[in-house]
Amino acid sequence: DTEVTQTPKHLVMGMTNKKSLKCEQHMGHRAMYWYKQKAKKPPELMFVYSYEKLSINESVPSRFSPECPNSSLLNLHLHALQPEDSALYLCASSHPGGLQYFGPGTRLTVT
Amino acid sequence: TQLLEQSPQFLSIQEGENLTVYCNSSSVFSSLQWYRQEPGEGPVLLVTVVTGGEVKKLKRLTFQFGDARKDSSLHITAAQPGDTGLYLCAGGGSGYSTLTFGKGTMLLVSP
Repeated sequence: DTEVTQTPKHLVMGMTNKKSLKCEQHMGHRAMYWYKQKAKKPPELMFVYSYEKLSINESVPSRFSPECPNSSLLNLHLHALQPEDSALYLCASSHPGGLQYFGPGTRLTVT
Repeated sequence: TQLLEQSPQFLSIQEGENLTVYCNSSSVFSSLQWYRQEPGEGPVLLVTVVTGGEVKKLKRLTFQFGDARKDSSLHITAAQPGDTGLYLCAGGGSGYSTLTFGKGTMLLVSP
């Protein structure tokens, strides 16, 4: 099983809303990632969690707040986003140093 | 900073034609992954190559890793409309499994 699941599939939110994106994997991976992807561009790394601890933050604005409650779950809390934050948000997981497997993504639209 | 140059950026061909996508860098990578992504979906891992000179085949797809582990190619034989998508190469380094992505090749195969 190489499945990473993400919810919701689509999300529309206003600039004053608070919402969360969720990611789950049951492959025993101890590294989990958040990426942002704009249309026709490659994914851009946002955050990396290793063994449930934040190990990389690629200078992401504080309106994005990641959380890793346990080894299977990864959340991305969103608050006061801007229209330019509209994108496909991808979660991935891997064994540390191993291959990354991506989820289907959440299509986020900020109005 | 490691960079991956991927070419061509866009390719439109007829069903049955052959094509090659290239991924080049001045840096050495410990591994190189190829992903295929359909619109609105997450990247799906096709293959990983780790040994210089390695060749892997996946049905009509042939992947090659350069002897110096700085470049890779993806060759598709007798392309089909189902091959349409964004092809991404991604180089893996040591440490936290962070990936360096190429800019992607958008392939359109027409019937």
